[in-house]
Amino acid sequence: AQSVSQHNHHVILSEAASLELGCNYSYGGTVNLFWYVQYPGQHLQLLLKYFSGDPLVKGIKGFEAEFIKSKFSFNLRKPSVQWSDTAEYFCAVTATSGTYKYIFGTGTRLKVLA
Amino acid sequence: DTAVSQTPKYLVTQMGNDKSIKCEQNLGHDTMYWYKQDSKKFLKIMFSYNNKELIINETVPNRFSPKSPDKAHLNLHINSLELGDSAVYFCASSSNYEQYFGPGTRLTVT
Repeated sequence: AQSVSQHNHHVILSEAASLELGCNYSYGGTVNLFWYVQYPGQHLQLLLKYFSGDPLVKGIKGFEAEFIKSKFSFNLRKPSVQWSDTAEYFCAVTATSGTYKYIFGTGTRLKVLA
Repeated sequence: DTAVSQTPKYLVTQMGNDKSIKCEQNLGHDTMYWYKQDSKKFLKIMFSYNNKELIINETVPNRFSPKSPDKAHLNLHINSLELGDSAVYFCASSSNYEQYFGPGTRLTVT
């Protein structure tokens, strides 16, 4: 079955701490991978994406993610978080062709303490 | 300019009523979606249209009926609303596998 797992449901960090959010997927075939962010009271926005090529992708606001095919993982990282990074983070996957269906993970709520 | 817009932003109604949510995108995308986000923030796809044609219809009660009058619009009509329908409903449009989300409609059924 197609699924996306985000292991950390709630993460609390102090400002300047490093962040790593886990994402593992189960999806037949080649995939496109995404991280979306939802700030409090707002809609989802694309943080970064992986389609092909360099498995280390950089997104907005200093975020990056690494695709490890052998582990079916696409973990999100940021070396130093800020209070403004407080948000819900969603990992998502879709096939590279033939379908328009996205599977989202359950989300990770990040709270950054000032 | 708003890329994906939804109306209304908030909707409070009683059980048994019928309501509609409207979505419009000005990005020229061919594909549009409806998602339901529950109180635990879980985001689940409901429907998808590509160029006015229904292409994804997840296990959603048939009280929910999407309609796409043209590729820029995707509306969601809900009949006989139930308490469990309370959620935030997000519309999205897509191009090149990237999704652009609307601001959401918070539906509260009392």
